[in-house]
Amino acid sequence: AQSVTQLGSHVSVSEGALVLLRCNYSSSVPPYLFWYVQYPNQGLQLLLKYTTGATLVKGINGFEAEFKKSETSFHLTKPSAHMSDAAEYFCAVSYRDDKIIFGKGTRLHILP
Amino acid sequence: ETGVTQTPRHLVMGMTNKKSLKCEQHLGHNAMYWYKQSAKKPLELMFVYSLEERVENNSVPSRFSPECPNSSHLFLHLHTLQPEDSALYLCASSQDRVGGYEQYFGPGTRLTVT
Repeated sequence: AQSVTQLGSHVSVSEGALVLLRCNYSSSVPPYLFWYVQYPNQGLQLLLKYTTGATLVKGINGFEAEFKKSETSFHLTKPSAHMSDAAEYFCAVSYRDDKIIFGKGTRLHILP
Repeated sequence: ETGVTQTPRHLVMGMTNKKSLKCEQHLGHNAMYWYKQSAKKPLELMFVYSLEERVENNSVPSRFSPECPNSSHLFLHLHTLQPEDSALYLCASSQDRVGGYEQYFGPGTRLTVT
C-alpha cells in the first residue's frame, strides 16, 4: 500500500535560516507529489506539486521541492525563513489509479 | 464565491443535538471529500464522493451521515455526537478522485461537542 512519511512532527528554524522539511514515499510506480500548508484554523492550501517533467518544482511563497526517484523523496525547502512561514506542512502522494494520501504533517516554528 | 466554501465556520452542539455541515465547491470538480482533523491526530479521511456517488467510507461511525445531492454540494449530518468528535472538519474537492489531481480545501468547520 502506498504511504508517505514526514520526518519530524515539529521543526524549528531561526528567521533567515534555511527551511528543510522532509518527505519520503513508498512506491514502485511513478508518483504524483504535493506539499500543502495549513495556517491556524484554516484549510490546507497547495504550495506546489510534481506530476511529470522537471524534478525541481517551484511553488508559492518562495518554497521549492525536488523529486528524487532514487531516494523516494520530495523534500521541501526555502532559502530564508520568514516569521509568516510558521504553519503546518503536509506532504501528500497519489498515483494514476489511486487517491491522495496525506502525511501526518510537520509543524514549522520560526525563532526570532 | 470562488473555491470551496464551508458553513458554519464554528459550531457548538450538545450530544443530543442534530446539525449539518455544508460544503459547496465552485470549481466544477467531480470528487468531494470530508476529512476530520483533531488536535493530536493526523488528517483522517472520512468519506469520498465521485460524481455524487459515495465511493469510500473509512469506518466512520453512523452518527456521521454524508449526503451529496449534486456535484457542487456536500453535507455532513451529525447526530448524537460524542465529545471526542470535537475537531476541525474539512471539506475538499478535486477534478477527479484519481490521476494526480490536487485537492482544494475549504476553511473548515470547528466543531465543539459539549
